[in-house]
Amino acid sequence: AQSVTQLDSQVPVFEEAPVELRCNYSSSVSVYLFWYVQYPNQGLQLLLKYLSGSTLVESINGFEAEFNKSQTSFHLRKPSVHISDTAEYFCAVSVSGGYNKLIFGAGTRLAVHP
Amino acid sequence: GAVVSQHPSWVICKSGTSVKIECRSLDFQATTMFWYRQFPKQSLMLMATSNEGSKATYEQGVEKDKFLINHASLTLSTLTVTSAHPEDSSFYICSTLGGAPMNTEAFFGQGTRLTVV
Repeated sequence: AQSVTQLDSQVPVFEEAPVELRCNYSSSVSVYLFWYVQYPNQGLQLLLKYLSGSTLVESINGFEAEFNKSQTSFHLRKPSVHISDTAEYFCAVSVSGGYNKLIFGAGTRLAVHP
Repeated sequence: GAVVSQHPSWVICKSGTSVKIECRSLDFQATTMFWYRQFPKQSLMLMATSNEGSKATYEQGVEKDKFLINHASLTLSTLTVTSAHPEDSSFYICSTLGGAPMNTEAFFGQGTRLTVV
């Protein structure tokens, strides 16, 4: 079975500072990896995903994540955060090969302060 | 990306009554939908997988007689919380898979905040 661990439940950071949200997974088979963002009382929005190919994936709003197979990690980074990045971030995994359910981590609350 | 609409966005009901939540895929046909619940400050927990035209598959520990799922068409899945109790109060979210390649992106509804009083 697959599982996802997000080591930090909350990450406070000042505006324009860099941030890293950590995600580790466990799986005995090949997986797809995702980061989702959730704003208050809303559903989830896909931030970025790793399916195959380049281990570094980027989103349109400046976030990036790197798949590290040896460390079974998929940490999310941004070099300079904005107030608007304040949200809950979820790392998720699904078994590769197509149509499969997502297993979510516990989430990390990113709080950006002025 | 695909659009998934969930209704209602919030609902308050009395203990013992039933509540129906609808999840619609607006611009594509969804043969499979997923239902999650999320308690405050916690992650999403998969409740069940809804398949069009067949019975839903429930995760371990989820009461199928309490959380009735119907997926009668390719664009609509419903979750009915029967005989609701305060402990059923939660945020319920539906999703479906789409995108390329091989339907690897999940599209989520806006969620339904259920409060049972």
